[in-house]
Amino acid sequence: GQQLNQSPQSMFIQEGEDVSMNCTSSSIFNTWLWYKQEPGEGPVLLIALYKAGELTSNGRLTAQFGITRKDSFLNISASIPSDVGIYFCAGHAGNNRKLIWGLGTSLAVNP
Amino acid sequence: ETGVTQTPRHLVMGMTNKKSLKCEQHLGHNAMYWYKQSAKKPLELMFVYNFKEQTENNSVPSRFSPECPNSSHLFLHLHTLQPEDSALYLCASSQGSGGNQETQYFGPGTRLLVL
Repeated sequence: GQQLNQSPQSMFIQEGEDVSMNCTSSSIFNTWLWYKQEPGEGPVLLIALYKAGELTSNGRLTAQFGITRKDSFLNISASIPSDVGIYFCAGHAGNNRKLIWGLGTSLAVNP
Repeated sequence: ETGVTQTPRHLVMGMTNKKSLKCEQHLGHNAMYWYKQSAKKPLELMFVYNFKEQTENNSVPSRFSPECPNSSHLFLHLHTLQPEDSALYLCASSQGSGGNQETQYFGPGTRLLVL
């Protein structure tokens, strides 16, 4: 099935560093969603984007809906150990409820 | 606190067993979903229910049988599963009215191991 191209696949950073990850698609998306999943848990919604060009923040997290509607990025500033987890991008390519998912970016933070 | 609960959290079953997974959402949503999450694969949508009616079956084998008695509860009945069905099974819910309201909220999942 269709999936998003999410990069990088994994990151290992020092506490305090900023992090950037992105997702691209070959088709236009109407929504972009960023989720975080920790071991043994389900994905938790971090940021939802609904309009091209939209820039939204949630604490130290900032995400943008690309103006071409084919990409999105997520930035985490001043990382802390509890940021560890897998970050997934997902989006809707039409009016149906089917979400298209990336494979995730695994983030490790060295204290 | 996601508002979506799943039980059991862990399940080990033999290939001849019959078991059920349960999901309950406390968000007042009308759409509910079952997903399968396996390592190194994107989340696989299995079933979608909207206002208790099944609106999508993503070519799921018949050994998985969903049931949605009302908008708050969703079950996944399992029988004669195969070892390759071992995975994390996630339930999600959304508003169900289309557009921006289709943001999905997930439960913690049931980790299933088939022996």
